[in-house]
Amino acid sequence: EAGVVQSPRYKIIEKKQPVAFWCNPISGHNTLYWYRQNLGQGPELLIRYENEEAVDDSQLPKDRFSAERLKGVDSTLKIQPAELGDSAVYLCASSLEGVGAFFGQGTRLTVV
Amino acid sequence: AQSVTQPDIHITVSEGASLELRCNYSYGATPYLFWYVQSPGQGLQLLLKYFSGDTLVQGIKGFEAEFKRSQSSFNLRKPSVHWSDAAEYFCAVGRNSGNTPLVFGKGTRLSVIA
Repeated sequence: EAGVVQSPRYKIIEKKQPVAFWCNPISGHNTLYWYRQNLGQGPELLIRYENEEAVDDSQLPKDRFSAERLKGVDSTLKIQPAELGDSAVYLCASSLEGVGAFFGQGTRLTVV
Repeated sequence: AQSVTQPDIHITVSEGASLELRCNYSYGATPYLFWYVQSPGQGLQLLLKYFSGDTLVQGIKGFEAEFKRSQSSFNLRKPSVHWSDAAEYFCAVGRNSGNTPLVFGKGTRLSVIA
C-alpha cells in the first residue's frame, strides 16, 4: 500500500512569489494534517482536516496561507506571497483511529 | 495544553552499544505517545506508539519504549545500536489514537561512531 505522497520534494522561489504543495493521503484515512518543520525543530501543526472540513486551523497564518481538501482526499497548501521566514519543510500526514499518523517525505521550501 | 520535552539535543553512541533517548510529556489526561525517526531529507517514520495496556511497547527496527506515568516519561531504548540508526528522533503526544494533532518535542539527534 502506498504511503502519504507529497510533491514537489523541493522548491526554491523568490520572495513575494506564490507556491503550492500537494498531498495525497493513505487511502481510507479521513484525517489529514499539514505541519511545518523549521530547521532544528519538531513539526508544528498548521491545519487539520476531517474529510473536507478544516477542524483545526488556528495555527495557519491566514493572511498568506490557504489550504483546501476537495472531495476529502487530496489536499493543497498554498502560500501567497511567500516570505523569507516561510523557508521550512512542509509535511503532510494522514491518520486513522487506532493506528496513528503517517507522514509523507515533505516538501523543502527555500525562499530567496 | 500538551507539551513534550526531549532533554538531549545530541547523543553520540558507539555501534553495538545500548541507547536510551529521553522524553518527558505534560498532559492532564491519558496521553497517547509516539516515537518517530527522521533521516536526513526524509519525512517522519513511526517507530512505535503507546495507547493503553502494557507499558512496555515494541516497535520496528528493534526499538522499544516504556511508559512511566509516575515520571511522565516515555523513553526510547535499543539494546544494540547500528550505524544505520543515526538520525533525528522525535517524541510526540496526542489526545487520542487517531484524529488528533500531535505535539512534538524538538528532537534528539543520534550519531553513531565505529
